[in-house]
Amino acid sequence: EIVLTQSPATQSVPPGEGVTLSCRASQSVSTNLAWYQHKVGQAPRLLVYGAITRATGVPARFRGSVSGPPARFSGSESGTEFTLTISSLQSEDSAVYFCLQYNDWPRTFGQGSQLEIK
Amino acid sequence: QVQLQESGPGLVKPSQTLSLTCTVSGGSISTGGYFWSWIRQLPGKGLEWIGYISYSGSTSYNPSLRSRVTISLDMSKNQFSLKLTTVTDADTGLYYCARDPYAAFDMWGQGTMVTVSS
Repeated sequence: EIVLTQSPATQSVPPGEGVTLSCRASQSVSTNLAWYQHKVGQAPRLLVYGAITRATGVPARFRGSVSGPPARFSGSESGTEFTLTISSLQSEDSAVYFCLQYNDWPRTFGQGSQLEIK
Repeated sequence: QVQLQESGPGLVKPSQTLSLTCTVSGGSISTGGYFWSWIRQLPGKGLEWIGYISYSGSTSYNPSLRSRVTISLDMSKNQFSLKLTTVTDADTGLYYCARDPYAAFDMWGQGTMVTVSS
């Protein structure tokens, strides 16, 4: 099965700054990778799918306009290395962020990155 | 807005069968176009996909759990269920149901905690 390795495991960042979270796949998953935000006691929330596409339902402040600058949440990929970048961090961004590959069965997940905003 | 809600006993004795149900509201399981999955998170570990069922009743299970898992569908109640046999304390964890549009899981329940203990 495909192993996803996330880094860092934990990170504490002041409000207003940005952060980059990484997810490395043990083999090619094409662009079939998604990112989720997960807060305790809540359902995980899909942020990005197809490695770079922001999910519908993400609040408008996270979406850029059709031709505008990148939104606060953005995904990128380079081979088997995927990143989620969050800019202008706000307190409500404190959560666990995890990645999922859906290129192959069984679906597999990264172990998560705990992000604290303080 | 589709919502998923897990339900079932929070405590199961070792060697017995864990049984959980996921109730889908705001949409019909019989519509098609989705797999309906169970996912779990064991303490201190990442997420693990358990298996799925389609609206037609076809199933697929994680090889690591295949010998102990059954997922079934009750369209009359718009529910799907998980049975995990011969549980041990290693099965203690948070169990989620989720919708899979043949891609990334786009909707999740909030999860239900199951403890295996005598």
